[in-house]
Amino acid sequence: DVKVTQSSRYLVKRTGEKVFLECVQDMDHENMFWYRQDPGLGLRLIYFSYDVKMKEKGDIPEGYSVSREKKERFSLILESASTNQTSMYLCASSLEWLPNTEAFFGQGTRLTVV
Amino acid sequence: KQEVTQIPAALSVPEGENLVLNCSFTDSAIYNLQWFRQDPGKGLTSLLLIQSSQREQTSGRLNASLDKSSGRSTLYIAASQPGDSATYLCAVMDSSYKLIFGSGTRLLVRP
Repeated sequence: DVKVTQSSRYLVKRTGEKVFLECVQDMDHENMFWYRQDPGLGLRLIYFSYDVKMKEKGDIPEGYSVSREKKERFSLILESASTNQTSMYLCASSLEWLPNTEAFFGQGTRLTVV
Repeated sequence: KQEVTQIPAALSVPEGENLVLNCSFTDSAIYNLQWFRQDPGKGLTSLLLIQSSQREQTSGRLNASLDKSSGRSTLYIAASQPGDSATYLCAVMDSSYKLIFGSGTRLLVRP
């Protein structure tokens, strides 16, 4: 079974803090993604990575950065957390850039910024 | 820009009914379409993936169809059960290999 594990289910952080969200996958997948999910807005892509040390901006990268030093780990960084970054964050991975590749998701991290 | 729409936004049915969830997309240049299930406060679970060259896929009581030329997909759930209650999301993989999601259909199956 593919497993995508996010380090925390729930986080509460203060405005201005630097926040790290960690995601690890155990299936040697090339691609990893970070999404945020908000009521009425659905899932929106923040960043993705198709290889170690490679990253691409998604639709809403402002206020975020990412790190992929190892193939299995993809970190999302909130440089200075703000209340509008309160959201559910979802990590996903997929095998490679092929038409039949299936995406697998982690359990999500519910982040609250106060 | 690819847009994915799901109708209805919410659906409530009695147990045992067969039901259809709809997904439409604006750009037919897709590689695949994937249906997911999401339980409250949880991540997404992949249900079915249909490649662009395929017309349908089946898994147990679930059947998903794809009509790429008209930009539509349906998820058919047979003999619905209370345990099917969840939000169902469809997503298309666009020409840049990114997944574009719809807003989902919240399904409630009443005992």
